[in-house]
This record gives sequence, structure tokens and C-alpha cells, in this order.
Amino acid sequence: GNSVTQMEGPVTLSEEAFLTINCTYTATGYPSLFWYVQYPGEGLQLLLKATKADDKGSNKGFEATYRKETTSFHLEKGSVQVSDSAVYFCASFSSGSARQLTFGSGTQLTVLP
Amino acid sequence: GAGVSQSPRYKVAKRGQDVALRCDPISGHVSLFWYQQALGQGPEFLTYFQNEAQLDKSGLPSDRFFAERPEGSVSTLKIQRTQQEDSAVYLCASSPDPPSAYGYTFGSGTRLTVV
Repeated sequence: GNSVTQMEGPVTLSEEAFLTINCTYTATGYPSLFWYVQYPGEGLQLLLKATKADDKGSNKGFEATYRKETTSFHLEKGSVQVSDSAVYFCASFSSGSARQLTFGSGTQLTVLP
Repeated sequence: GAGVSQSPRYKVAKRGQDVALRCDPISGHVSLFWYQQALGQGPEFLTYFQNEAQLDKSGLPSDRFFAERPEGSVSTLKIQRTQQEDSAVYLCASSPDPPSAYGYTFGSGTRLTVV
């Protein structure tokens, strides 16, 4: 099966700092890749996605580029806000199946004013 | 509805009790998934339905766990003879077909605490 490895947290940044959360995957072929965000007490929300190599997903100032050479899908944001404080999960579809998302362990982000 | 709805939001069960967790997916979504999320961890796959057919139940941790979706919309996850290790948040998600193109929409989850 496949797996997703995320940068371990927690990550603490000051407002307006640059954010990178690393994510790498192992899979057969080229899976679709996703970033989800989980705010306190809530379910997971889809943040962005990329379905093929070299695609860039973007939403709410966040970006991630599907890099098949490095099997990576790092999440970036140029200027974080306090409201971005949440847990971020990288995910991919399992090899041999297009219907099961496999998640990383999550990265807790805290942004201080 | 507008989103995936799960009930109850919180459930406390005594060890050995049976529990039933409900999921109302987004109307028209063919695919439905159940995940288990332990504290501080990423969600772990439990089972998947396409309409009323349960196509993958490889993630169910034991035969105490059972899921159904008899009419292809609402789904119920049942846990029999609950154990302390079953304490977790149970997430339901739905998706149009194929999920690989759209991703999932998750509900807010049911937090199960077994005491």
C-alpha cells in the first residue's frame, strides 16, 4: 500500500511569516494528492488538491505543487494569519485503488499575533 | 443537505455497550467512507460504500465493527461490546464519483468515549 509522511509539528509562527509544511508520499503510479485542514472541534475540510504531476493546487493563499521527481506535495503560504492556526493533513489515494484516502499524521500550526 | 451530517456529536458508552453512529451524506454522493481518528493522529480508513454496496471493509479493526448503508444514502456504523481502545473520533465522508478527482467532504465527526 501507499503511505504519506508529513513534517512533524507542532509549528509555531508569527503572523505574516512564511509557512512550509513538508509532505512526501510513496505509492504505485501517480496518486491524486490532497491537503486537508482541521480547525479545533471541527471535521476535516479540503484545502487544495492536485490530480496529476506538476499540477499546482491553491486556495486561500495556500499552494502545493505535485512533484513526481521528489514524490512531494509541500504546503506553502507566503504570509500566515492567526486564523490559519489548525492541524494540516496531507493525503493521497492508495495504490491499486482510487477510493481510499491515506492520511499523514498531521501537523499542528499555531500562528501568534 | 448542504454538508455531511453526523450524529450524535458526542457519545459516552460503558465498556461492553453497543453503539450506533449515524451519517447523512451529501445528497447524490455515490461514495461514502468511514474513518477512525485517534487523538493526535491522522484519520485511519475503516470502510467504503458505493451506493448501498460495501466495496471495502478492510480497515474495520475487528468483527465487533459493522457498517451498513441499506438504501444508498444514510449509513450507520455499529460497534458491539465497546472496548476502551474504541475511544476515538469517527468521521464520515462522502464524495461524487470518482473520489480521486473530487476528494471527500467530511462531517464533523462523532467523538466516542468508552468508560
